[in-house]
Amino acid sequence: SQKIEQNSEALNIQEGKTATLTCNYTNYSPAYLQWYRQDPGRGPVFLLLIRENEKEKRKERLKVTFDTTLKQSLFHITASQPADSATYLCALGSYPGTYKYIFGTGTRLKVLA
Amino acid sequence: GAGVSQSPSNKVTEKGKDVELRCDPISGHTALYWYRQSLGQGLEFLIYFQGNSAPDKSGLPSDRFSAERTGGSVSTLTIQRTQQEDSAVYLCASSLDSRDYGYTFGSGTRLTVV
Repeated sequence: SQKIEQNSEALNIQEGKTATLTCNYTNYSPAYLQWYRQDPGRGPVFLLLIRENEKEKRKERLKVTFDTTLKQSLFHITASQPADSATYLCALGSYPGTYKYIFGTGTRLKVLA
Repeated sequence: GAGVSQSPSNKVTEKGKDVELRCDPISGHTALYWYRQSLGQGLEFLIYFQGNSAPDKSGLPSDRFSAERTGGSVSTLTIQRTQQEDSAVYLCASSLDSRDYGYTFGSGTRLTVV
C-alpha cells in the first residue's frame, strides 16, 4: 500500500543552523510534492510545491529537493530561527490535476535559542 | 473572506448524536476539500468538491458521513450517529481549482465524542 514516512521523532537544532527534514515514500509515483507547516491548534499552511521533473525549489530560507529515484524529498530551512519551530508535513499528489494529496504524519521541529 | 473559516472550533457530543461541521472557503475558490486528522495520524482525505459537485467521495469512512456544498461556497460535513472513533480534528481546505495549487486550510473543528 502507499506509504509516506516522515521522522516521527522531534528534531531539535540550534538557532542559526540548517534544519533538514526527510519525507520518504513507497508504492507511489507522485507528480507533485508539497510541504506544509502546522502550528498547534491550527490548520497546515502551504509552503512549497515541487513537481516530479524539478530537482530543487527555493523560497527565501526554504529549499526542497525531490529525488524520484530515491523516492525521497528533503526540506531544508537555513539560518533557522525559534519562530520556525512547528510540525512540517509533506504531501504527495499522484498525477497532474490531482486533488487528493496523501499526507505524512509530520516531523516536529524545535529551534533552540 | 480572507481565509478559510470553520465552525465550531470545538464540539463535544454524546455518542449517537448527529453533528454538523461548517466550512466557509476563500471567496472565488472553486475547489473545497475535507480532511480528518487523528492523533498521531496523517491527514486523511474525506471528500472533494469542485463547485457544488463532489466527484470523489471515496474517503468518507462510512455512510454515516455526508457532505454538501451550496452556491459554490459554504460546505457542511454531517456525521450521523457519532461514534467515539469519529473523534478527530476535521479540517477544511480550499484552492482556486483542483490543479496544482497549494491548499489553504482552516483551523479545523475538534470533535470529541463522549
